[in-house]
Amino acid sequence: KAGVTQTPRYLIKTRGQQVTLSCSPISGHRSVSWYQQTPGQGLQFLFEYFSETQRNKGNFPGRFSGRQFSNSRSEMNVSTLELGDSALYLCASSFGAGRVYTFGSGTRLTVV
Amino acid sequence: DQQVKQNSPSLSVQEGRISILNCDYTNSMFDYFLWYKKYPAEGPTFLISISSIKDKNEDGRFTVFLNKSAKHLSLHIVPSQPGDSAVYFCAAIATGGGNKLTFGTGTQLKVEL
Repeated sequence: KAGVTQTPRYLIKTRGQQVTLSCSPISGHRSVSWYQQTPGQGLQFLFEYFSETQRNKGNFPGRFSGRQFSNSRSEMNVSTLELGDSALYLCASSFGAGRVYTFGSGTRLTVV
Repeated sequence: DQQVKQNSPSLSVQEGRISILNCDYTNSMFDYFLWYKKYPAEGPTFLISISSIKDKNEDGRFTVFLNKSAKHLSLHIVPSQPGDSAVYFCAAIATGGGNKLTFGTGTQLKVEL
């Protein structure tokens, strides 16, 4: 059974650019969440989606957005990138309303 | 406002001995708790969870204890193995607030031979 797949694994962008990260959940999982990990702030919640609806949103500026498609795949977008957006972005999925999330390996974003 | 705290940034234990990782929380709405293990450049891996209606849950070498009155949980690993060396995060969920995981800051466990 394939795990949570995140693409790309690594990304280097320039300040001011925008970026889109992709996440394919485990087959059958309908809930997808995104987290940001930085050395200073630890693991911070970004958003949670279930059946294409955003159920929850963390305390991040509006430059961070996401969406979920009918096949449960999800994308997150960051516009007008700042140096502080450099982080490991993690996607996680769970089955139904389950509370145990399986994480992907993440996308390492570096903003220069 | 750090609602989930892991006050020990690191812990060193000898192989075969018990590892005890601690976690404290402040939000009384948290009713489900999880422990994840993380290696560098990888996503967290789920280890074990506990609902607030229980005070203990075991799975093989891993046991989680919950003390609701103290708002404290701990993860016991017995016996500790070198492969257990990783960063351990506790996380909490408040039912009714979606399935948002609030993570602690992590404890780096090193199991020495």
